Amino acid sequence: EAEVAQSPRYKITEKSQAVAFWCDPISGHATLYWYRQILGQGPELLVQFQDESVVDDSQLPKDRFSAERLKGVDSTLKIQPAELGDSAMYLCASSLLRGDRAFSVYYEQYFGPGTRLTVT
Amino acid sequence: GENVEQHPSTLSVQEGDSAVIKCTYSDSASNYFPWYKQELGKGPQLIIDIRSNVGEKKDQRIAVTLNKTAKHFSLHITETQPEDSAVYFCAASKPNDYKLSFGAGTTVTVRA
Repeated sequence: EAEVAQSPRYKITEKSQAVAFWCDPISGHATLYWYRQILGQGPELLVQFQDESVVDDSQLPKDRFSAERLKGVDSTLKIQPAELGDSAMYLCASSLLRGDRAFSVYYEQYFGPGTRLTVT
Repeated sequence: GENVEQHPSTLSVQEGDSAVIKCTYSDSASNYFPWYKQELGKGPQLIIDIRSNVGEKKDQRIAVTLNKTAKHFSLHITETQPEDSAVYFCAASKPNDYKLSFGAGTTVTVRA
């Protein structure tokens, strides 16, 4: 069964350092998402790509976070400089566009295993 | 925007009993409702979803029901097993919208 791949699985970094996460979506999935999940809460969307284009980055703290998906396949999320409050699980998801004539389009999202970031 | 509330926040059941998790949503335009299971240290796994043109969907021991009038949907797990222990999240999205609004999660513990 195809899965979303993420690396690294765990990352410990000191505040003010730069950190990067990588995601490889399920083959054929044009839509890719980055989420942040704080312990005890549901995932919150940071950025969404359709192919190589950013569709929504309204929740991305752009002063320190950046995301790219240059060839429309894998993606990188970067934080520079990291702050203590950035400690969280960073999840990547990809989706298949589904829909039929009787029902509007919806997005079936599949998540990767996540990267657990600890900022000290 | 869409607001999804999930209850209870924790649920402990005896192995073999049923577990029910309930979610309410605020936007009547929402029409797609997936459920995710997240085990410790792993990403959320899509376990079942329902669209607003049906009222119930079953897959082996899990089922989801949807009440559009009341704007709530529920996950039912029957004959619970220890491997059902995890955090479960409900979510909702609107037509043609990629955004999923998640509930806060329910930690389910199945006691052997």
